[in-house]
Amino acid sequence: DAGVTQSPTHLIKTRGQQVTLRCSPKSGHDTVSWYQQALGQGPQFIFQYYEEEERQRGNFPDRFSGHQFPNYSSELNVNALLLGDSALYLCASSLAQVSGNTIYFGEGSWLTVV
Amino acid sequence: AQKITQTQPGMFVQEKEAVTLDCTYDTSDQSYGLFWYKQPSSGEMIFLIYQGSYDEQNATEGRYSLNFQKARKSANLVISASQLGDSAMYFCAMREPYNDYKLSFGAGTTVTVRA
Repeated sequence: DAGVTQSPTHLIKTRGQQVTLRCSPKSGHDTVSWYQQALGQGPQFIFQYYEEEERQRGNFPDRFSGHQFPNYSSELNVNALLLGDSALYLCASSLAQVSGNTIYFGEGSWLTVV
Repeated sequence: AQKITQTQPGMFVQEKEAVTLDCTYDTSDQSYGLFWYKQPSSGEMIFLIYQGSYDEQNATEGRYSLNFQKARKSANLVISASQLGDSAMYFCAMREPYNDYKLSFGAGTTVTVRA
């Protein structure tokens, strides 16, 4: 049973560029959430996708956008990168109709903006 | 307002001893869930233990137990018989019903286990 997988693992981008991060949820999960974790801090919620739509969004600018595909996988896009976007980006998957502890994270994508 | 507070930035513990990581939370809802995650330097967020607000018994998972004091709004994690591999960052997080779609995390506590 595959867990949550994210790609790429590490990447370096230049200010002003655009980046796309990818996430495949745990088998059987239909909901994907994205979090940004700056160095030395706890993760911050960016947004969540369910049924190919953004269901909720955290306090992030429109430069951050996403997409969910019919197979439940998801992409996070960040435009016009800033130095402050350097962080670990975590993807979490869950099952919409089940509450409790069914939230699993991937290993994350380390983004460095120079 | 901060929903999850972890007041211990870092802790040292001797191998084989127990360690308690503090977590207090703030919510006006009666139904919520509390999580603890372990994050090694690799970055992966590893689920450790979960406590639902209506669970009458404290959650336990192997060497991990959660000391849940609802009236005090605290959910401390106890790691028994510490191992060198327990050295990592530990995060407390909360899931609220009205905001069921996301987790709110604390700032984390770094645990270093000494041989």
